[in-house]
Amino acid sequence: QKEVEQDPGPLSVPEGAIVSLNCTYSNSAFQYFMWYRQYSRKGPELLMYTYSSGNKEDGRFTAQVDKSSKYISLFIRDSQPSDSATYLCAMSTNTGNQFYFGTGTSLTVIP
Amino acid sequence: DTAVSQTPKYLVTQMGNDKSIKCEQNLGHDTMYWYKQDSKKFLKIMFSYNNKELIINETVPNRFSPKSPDKAHLNLHINSLELGDSAVYFCASSQSPSQAFFGQGTRLTVV
Repeated sequence: QKEVEQDPGPLSVPEGAIVSLNCTYSNSAFQYFMWYRQYSRKGPELLMYTYSSGNKEDGRFTAQVDKSSKYISLFIRDSQPSDSATYLCAMSTNTGNQFYFGTGTSLTVIP
Repeated sequence: DTAVSQTPKYLVTQMGNDKSIKCEQNLGHDTMYWYKQDSKKFLKIMFSYNNKELIINETVPNRFSPKSPDKAHLNLHINSLELGDSAVYFCASSQSPSQAFFGQGTRLTVV
């Protein structure tokens, strides 16, 4: 069993829809939770990160962490065709010696 | 002013050859990583260095040898390349457990 599980999709939504992306994890030592966006043939780009439980909002993006359920989410409001990419969740412990990634969810936003 | 840069971007080589990938970061980060991304987009840690010292060495064949001449550089040398080594290799750096910055990747194809 992988330490981080993520539904690979693919996910296809119409422009303007609200998108929900999720990951679950098993390691209770994870304290930092990140979401990356990766366009085709590019490197992963950090969208946002959260420390411990709680919510964080940045423009159209909201990240939620529920450590009691070992469940994290990323919500994208008013989705745009430019949001079409693979979204990867990632987690780390306090050491930062490595980042554990989910398998990524492929998202397509249809104009 | 690319923060994490890798060379080459594409590498096509024959089985049995030896090749190197170079990585440089200008962010002043102490920790650098090599990740391998397979065809299903899963990012798996290979090596992690902190201030030129190896701190993570996952179950990677010993044909893969990282070298960190200084904390801004982390190179990856691969001996006796095999078909299964074909993947995208990403270099990353970080200064905290909350975020890692990735290079654009090196797409290695072994024929």
